Formats: sequence, structure tokens, C-alpha cells
Amino acid sequence: KAGVTQTPRYLIKTRGQQVTLSCSPISGHRSVSWYQQTPGQGLQFLFEYFSETQRNKGNFPGRFSGRQFSNSRSEMNVSTLELGDSALYLCASSLVGGALDTQYFGPGTRLTVL
Amino acid sequence: SQKIEQNSEALNIQEGKTATLTCNYTNYSPAYLQWYRQDPGRGPVFLLLIRENEKEKRKERLKVTFDTTLKQSLFHITASQPADSATYLCALNEDTGFQKLVFGTGTRLLVSP
Repeated sequence: KAGVTQTPRYLIKTRGQQVTLSCSPISGHRSVSWYQQTPGQGLQFLFEYFSETQRNKGNFPGRFSGRQFSNSRSEMNVSTLELGDSALYLCASSLVGGALDTQYFGPGTRLTVL
Repeated sequence: SQKIEQNSEALNIQEGKTATLTCNYTNYSPAYLQWYRQDPGRGPVFLLLIRENEKEKRKERLKVTFDTTLKQSLFHITASQPADSATYLCALNEDTGFQKLVFGTGTRLLVSP
């Protein structure tokens, strides 16, 4: 089975722009979670989607949003980019997103905001 | 406030020794705790999950303990190898039903030959 894929792998944007990141889960997985990883804050939960519905959300401003499609693929969007949004964005998929489900992480998208 | 703390300093050990990593948490009452491995430039990889009613869990050279009284989990790698060099993260789930992992900042392990 192919693993979790994320595109693009690297992205450079300037302040004020917006960005869309994409995540394709493992085939058969219906839950997708997104995380932000920075050297200062570590890995922080952004949100989790299941069957096109957001079930959980972390403490991030409304500039961070996401969605999930009927084929379980997910996108996250960050609008009005700030320098502090520079980070590695990781998505993870699991079968149904239950608390005991194993999460499988993708390689991440490295976003640099100039 | 809620916190998950891991040693921010790198842990340097010699090949063949046992590495012990610590995860302490405050103001959480997790029903289970997970450990992940992360290599540079890659996403974390799940290693082990231990439930609150399990004192110890093993998988090959890995052993995890979970002390809910001390609010601490220990992660051991026995007979360590240079290939074990990576950052190890502990995580607990904030939501009892669905995925909402909270991660520690991770401890970097360096195993020298």
C-alpha cells in the first residue's frame, strides 16, 4: 500500500499570500489529521476530518482552515500568511480516526514565509 | 496549564547500551500514551501505545512503562544501535473518542558506534 502523500513538499510564499496544501491518505483510511511542527512549539494539532466533516480542532486562528473530499483526500489552507506560519505541515491518516487508531504520517510540506 | 515535557537535551549513548527517555505530563489524565520516532525531514512513525492499566509494554528491543501516579512514561531501547539515532516523541490524546494528539517536544537520541 502506498503511504500518505503530501504535495507540494516545499513551498515559499510571502507575507499576506495564501497557500493550499494537499494530503492523500492511505487507501481505505477515512480520517485525516493535520499538524504544524516548528522548532519552538513542536508538533501541534490543527484539525481532524472524517467523512468530509471536521471533528476536532486545535487552537489556531481562523486563517487556518481545511476540508476533506469524498475520496478522503484533504486540503488545508492558510490565508494572509505571517512569518510565524513558516513550519513543517504534516498530515496523518488513520482508518476511522478513533482514539486508539494508529496514525500514519506523511513526509510533510515545508512552508517558508518571507 | 497542561504540559508534556521531554528532555530537550540530546541523549548521547554508546552502541549496545540501553537508552532511557522520559516523558512527564501535567494536568492531563490520559487513558493511554503513545511513542513515535521521527527522522530528520520525515514525518513521525508510530512505535508503541500503552494504556493506563498497562504498567509495561514491549516490542522487540523497545519497552515502555506508564506510571499514572507519577504522571510519567519511560521509553527504553535495549542493545541500542546507531540506526536508533532519531528524535523520539511521546504523545497523548486530548479527546477520549477521536484523534487529537498532543505531542511532547521530543528527545534527540544519538547512538555512537
